[in-house]
Amino acid sequence: DIQMTQSPSSLSASLGDRVNITCRASQSISSYLNWYQQKPGKAPKLLIYAASSLQGGVPSRFSGGGSGTDFSLTISSLQPEDFATYYCQQTYNTPLTFGGGTKVAIK
Amino acid sequence: EVQLVESGGGLVQPGGSLRLSCAASGFTFSSYWMNWVRQAPGKGLEWVANIKQDGSEKDYVDSVKGRFTISRDNVKNSLFLQMNSLRAEDTAVYYCARGGSGFSYGKLDYWGQGKLVTVSS
Repeated sequence: DIQMTQSPSSLSASLGDRVNITCRASQSISSYLNWYQQKPGKAPKLLIYAASSLQGGVPSRFSGGGSGTDFSLTISSLQPEDFATYYCQQTYNTPLTFGGGTKVAIK
Repeated sequence: EVQLVESGGGLVQPGGSLRLSCAASGFTFSSYWMNWVRQAPGKGLEWVANIKQDGSEKDYVDSVKGRFTISRDNVKNSLFLQMNSLRAEDTAVYYCARGGSGFSYGKLDYWGQGKLVTVSS
């Protein structure tokens, strides 16, 4: 199984900050990498697919990058609604696997 | 509007069975891979199973193989998860999620609200 490792597991940031979350795969997954946002008590929401493609309706302050084993999710200017937990997911093969999550909290 | 609505969760004793259903609407159900994803209390996301558009291919995470069965009814636009021999570690919120229509089967772009399954005596 492909292991996905996210870092950091949590971070504190202020409104307007630039936030970067990284995700590393245990083997090369090309660009088969998605990012999700989850708020407490809610279902996850797809933000980025194929490593860098923005899902429809998602604000442009979210961006994704990387390929192979190393990926990143960047929020260019943190907004109040962005405080949530973020997960990466590989879709290179099954079992589909998620990273452990990164909780973004208010500083 | 795409909607996925799960039903059938609840409390079950260890070793028991439960069937989850997911009613889909707002899209051509038969054109998409479908998935179940779970989340144990306070934990991260775990993919459980998926099924191809016509039901001809199914796959599972190792921890549920031989105990869980995913199925679908493309006439009734419904997805199912039959869970047998349930264990305490199966306690989680179970989400139904739509996958892609081709090789993007793992792109989970719509999710249900989730249904809690609690396995406890």
